[in-house]
Amino acid sequence: NAGVTQTPKFQVLKTGQSMTLQCAQDMNHEYMSWYRQDPGMGLRLIHYSVGAGITDQGEVPNGYNVSRSTTEDFPLRLLSAAPSQTSVYFCASSYSTASSGNTIYFGEGSWLTVV
Amino acid sequence: SQQGEEDPQALSIQEGENATMNCSYKTSINNLQWYRQNSGRGLVHLILIRSNEREKHSGRLRVTLDTSKKSSSLLITASRAADTASYFCATGHAGGTSYGKLTFGQGTILTVHP
Repeated sequence: NAGVTQTPKFQVLKTGQSMTLQCAQDMNHEYMSWYRQDPGMGLRLIHYSVGAGITDQGEVPNGYNVSRSTTEDFPLRLLSAAPSQTSVYFCASSYSTASSGNTIYFGEGSWLTVV
Repeated sequence: SQQGEEDPQALSIQEGENATMNCSYKTSINNLQWYRQNSGRGLVHLILIRSNEREKHSGRLRVTLDTSKKSSSLLITASRAADTASYFCATGHAGGTSYGKLTFGQGTILTVHP
């Protein structure tokens, strides 16, 4: 049981480039989300999904796109990378609503640097 | 905006001592969760307390919740060097667009010296 798997672990991008962070979970969780973690800012929600075909914006969605074509996968796309997107990105999943008390399972993180 | 504010930002103690971290929040919650993050790793769920509960225990962890003061505390008893990590509180909100997400605080960095 792999849990939540993120790739790549590390990535360096040039300003203006695009890329996709991959996220897959094998726990049949309905809820998936992407957070970014910056020093002194805690984790901030970028986008989330409550099931295949359904996505919604979080606190800091600008510059990112998501899609949820399957229950297992929830990729995060950076459309035109900017230095402000240098951060650590975490994918997470849960069986049901975290707001109702379900545990969130996190991936190991993706370190992204935009130069 | 950050819902959870944690205090202290950093805590340094000796092995065997107790560590107490506090979390305050601003709006009504459904539940509050504590997570741990080792350096360079993802977050790991520690314990959850619901809004109608006042105290929960899990091994060496004790969490309290005071909804009237909108605050929670995490106590780690008899700390070990392996407890060195960042600890985050996260609040869950019922209904509406809060569906399926948590709001995290900035975290407390705990260092336990052998």
